[in-house]
Amino acid sequence: AQTVTQSQPEMSVQEAETVTLSCTYDTSESNYYLFWYKQPPSRQMILVIRQEAYKQQNATENRFSVNFQKAAKSFSLKISDSQLGDTAMYFCAFMKQSSFGGYQKVTFGTGTKLQVIP
Amino acid sequence: EAQVTQNPRYLITVTGKKLTVTCSQNMNHEYMSWYRQDPGLGLRQIYYSMNVEVTDKGDVPEGYKVSRKEKRNFPLILESPSPNQTSLYFCASSPPYQETQYFGPGTRLLVL
Repeated sequence: AQTVTQSQPEMSVQEAETVTLSCTYDTSESNYYLFWYKQPPSRQMILVIRQEAYKQQNATENRFSVNFQKAAKSFSLKISDSQLGDTAMYFCAFMKQSSFGGYQKVTFGTGTKLQVIP
Repeated sequence: EAQVTQNPRYLITVTGKKLTVTCSQNMNHEYMSWYRQDPGLGLRQIYYSMNVEVTDKGDVPEGYKVSRKEKRNFPLILESPSPNQTSLYFCASSPPYQETQYFGPGTRLLVL
């Protein structure tokens, strides 16, 4: 069974600064996907960024980037130029790659509550 | 508009009274899933479905049932709700050969 650990329950960052949220996971699988989801106070789940395990290059989406260390089973999220709208709960998630396409079981971490301070 | 809808959005019920939370998607997605979210525990997968009539258990299936008779709908059934099923529930869907999930708005359930 897979496990996902987010060791920082809460974090804060000054507006315009950079912050890194950590995520580690444990799996025996070699093919999988990793995700970061954002959940603002509205409770809507929003995909921030995704990473395929077979890709060595770290994923980037505008101000959001990841540091994917497959051997260390680490998947941290870096938010640059933090904005007030980044205030939210952030969840790391693991999905095993299905041999027939699509997804199967998904495991989420417990989340990190990020507060951006003006 | 492409979306995943859930109904009801809020529900207060009593122990033992059967209820169904509906989930519908208009994107012709094959894969659908149910999660519950509890403080300090993140999201935990209850059941998922890979296609019509194909479902499988997630990590916390006890006390829940699902059915997938049509591609667009994936209802979550609580036959005899208990207070420990008080939670925020999310439905999600995903197109085939894509792993990105699209989430519904959530259903907040309170079981007294």
